[in-house]
Amino acid sequence: EDQVTQSPEALRLQEGESSSLNCSYTVSGLRGLFWYRQDPGKGPEFLFTLYSAGEEKEKERLKATLTKKESFLHITAPKPEDSATYLCAVQEGTNAGKSTFGDGTTLTVKP
Amino acid sequence: DTGVSQDPRHKITKRGQNVTFRCDPISEHNRLYWYRQTLGQGPEFLTYFQNEAQLEKSRLLSDRFSAERPKGSFSTLEIQRTEQGDSAMYLCASSLGLDRPYGYTFGSGTRLTVV
Repeated sequence: EDQVTQSPEALRLQEGESSSLNCSYTVSGLRGLFWYRQDPGKGPEFLFTLYSAGEEKEKERLKATLTKKESFLHITAPKPEDSATYLCAVQEGTNAGKSTFGDGTTLTVKP
Repeated sequence: DTGVSQDPRHKITKRGQNVTFRCDPISEHNRLYWYRQTLGQGPEFLTYFQNEAQLEKSRLLSDRFSAERPKGSFSTLEIQRTEQGDSAMYLCASSLGLDRPYGYTFGSGTRLTVV
């Protein structure tokens, strides 16, 4: 069964203090790895899809990278508005529809 | 397109009552998903549709849960004989079903409280 583990559970940063979030996964053939952002009381918002090891995607202060066992979400010079829960999800090779989510990392950026 | 719409946003029900939630996906998306999320946890898969066909249902889902997607458009999720453990946020999402997987577009969810 697919497993997704995110660490740390919570991360507190000062504004401008760069850091990384980790997503470790176990799947039988990865079709895609996804990053989402979720604000309190709202549904997750899609950020990135990564398909194969070595791939990278960037959006503003966020950069996602992928290896064969894990993905990182790098946050450069974060701002308070980056505070949210970041979720990682995987879709495995034999199941074209279902994604399995991790429990997320809650990021708080203090001004 | 206004994105994925879910109705109602909040539902409070007494234990043992039946509830039904509605989801209107993005019109171009042929795949529709239902997930459940509790506080501090990631979304948990319930079921998904490609057009009107229900292709997978979670083994964890009891027979009290049923979902439909008539004509491949909107979808409903019904919970019969609700229990306190059903209290959660119920999330609907849609996506294009192509060879390469795409990220989901989620709705804002329906928060169910069973008292």
